[in-house]
Amino acid sequence: GENVEQHPSTLSVQEGDSAVIKCTYSDSASNYFPWYKQELGKRPQLIIDIRSNVGEKKDQRIAVTLNKTAKHFSLHITETQPEDSAVYFCAASYTDKLIFGTGTRLQVFP
Amino acid sequence: DAGVTQSPTHLIKTRGQQVTLRCSPKSGHDTVSWYQQALGQGPQFIFQYYEEEERQRGNFPDRFSGHQFPNYSSELNVNALLLGDSALYLCASSSVPQETQYFGPGTRLLVL
Repeated sequence: GENVEQHPSTLSVQEGDSAVIKCTYSDSASNYFPWYKQELGKRPQLIIDIRSNVGEKKDQRIAVTLNKTAKHFSLHITETQPEDSAVYFCAASYTDKLIFGTGTRLQVFP
Repeated sequence: DAGVTQSPTHLIKTRGQQVTLRCSPKSGHDTVSWYQQALGQGPQFIFQYYEEEERQRGNFPDRFSGHQFPNYSSELNVNALLLGDSALYLCASSSVPQETQYFGPGTRLLVL
């Protein structure tokens, strides 16, 4: 069935360093890949998304890359700040339902 | 422009009871999806409503049912509650089924 694997489960970085979170999806028909940030007790918030006809997308300090052949996609955060600390979820969509990864807890230390 | 809203914010029920959760989509959105998020896990897709019909369903038992009203708001009903139904229930709306989903704040359900 449809599955999304996400690594690592936890990630600690120093402020100013880069952070990379990787996801692998199982359904080759998936065509939409959003990333959500969820702070403790709050709703998931969309931070960036990419569709299968694009290989890379950037928005200021955040970028997402997609390798359709390998069925991998990754989130890159540069110049991390303490307010980037949260749980990040990747998701893959086919037929419009989102299948989520298990999340990555990112801690940015000042 | 109001975002996605959900009510209630918190709910405590006992096993065997029934619960109804409510969601109002973002203005201009007509598609509502429901997700269950257990503690420490990613959201799990329950079902999606579009044009007042259940368009897709995830791997959840028939105890989970829903409805969409003509104003696009939606309800999630869970019958015969189990302890394992304790979770954060999230509603997400989109302008059409294929477009980006925006989440509401969720309803935290505790089943005792």
